[in-house]
Amino acid sequence: GEDVEQSLFLSVREGDSSVINCTYTDSSSTYLYWYKQEPGAGLQLLTYIFSNMDMKQDQRLTVLLNKKDKHLSLRIADTQTGDSAIYFCAESLNNNDMRFGAGTRLTVKP
Amino acid sequence: DSGVTQTPKHLITATGQRVTLRCSPRSGDLSVYWYQQSLDQGLQFLIQYYNGEERAKGNILERFSAQQFPDLHSELNLSSLELGDSALYFCASSVVDRGYEQYFGPGTRLTVT
Repeated sequence: GEDVEQSLFLSVREGDSSVINCTYTDSSSTYLYWYKQEPGAGLQLLTYIFSNMDMKQDQRLTVLLNKKDKHLSLRIADTQTGDSAIYFCAESLNNNDMRFGAGTRLTVKP
Repeated sequence: DSGVTQTPKHLITATGQRVTLRCSPRSGDLSVYWYQQSLDQGLQFLIQYYNGEERAKGNILERFSAQQFPDLHSELNLSSLELGDSALYFCASSVVDRGYEQYFGPGTRLTVT
């Protein structure tokens, strides 16, 4: 399809792992990103992965990339209430265009 | 704090008017990107400048234009405003020409009445 797709909502309990999934559009996308947006704030770059990598780990964050299926996921270990936010998946196309998903609203319940 | 600043924070104006949004990139960043975030369209890439030159164009309307000045700050001009232009406008910057490691400003919320 033409859109970067993400599920709109995810709810987890504090301390559990969260997994946010994304399907992107262009198999030639060079970089794939995860951004976090807290209420009233701009987007914060969380992590990104180059398209020739399968996995990237950064503290509590693990990004998995399946190029064949154009599937990207973000796992947050030991999710905290401060992780509640909207998480955007994005791809960087060859023409410098950035394409974003609609965002997944993560709610962490105490 | 990403280091990217945007002014004003909020802007309320009437249909048909023209506004200018301003962005200062992080120190040392040469690329500036503009995005529009609205409820119905989501986050849309508008345009990118690199070291004063237009580098990439996304879903930017003809009524909108941008430029990047020699001091690297950028302005987004929106004219003949319509109700549907009400949105959050974000600026982002990066060191290099390509899209990775973009750092976003806090946004300007534009309300057109």
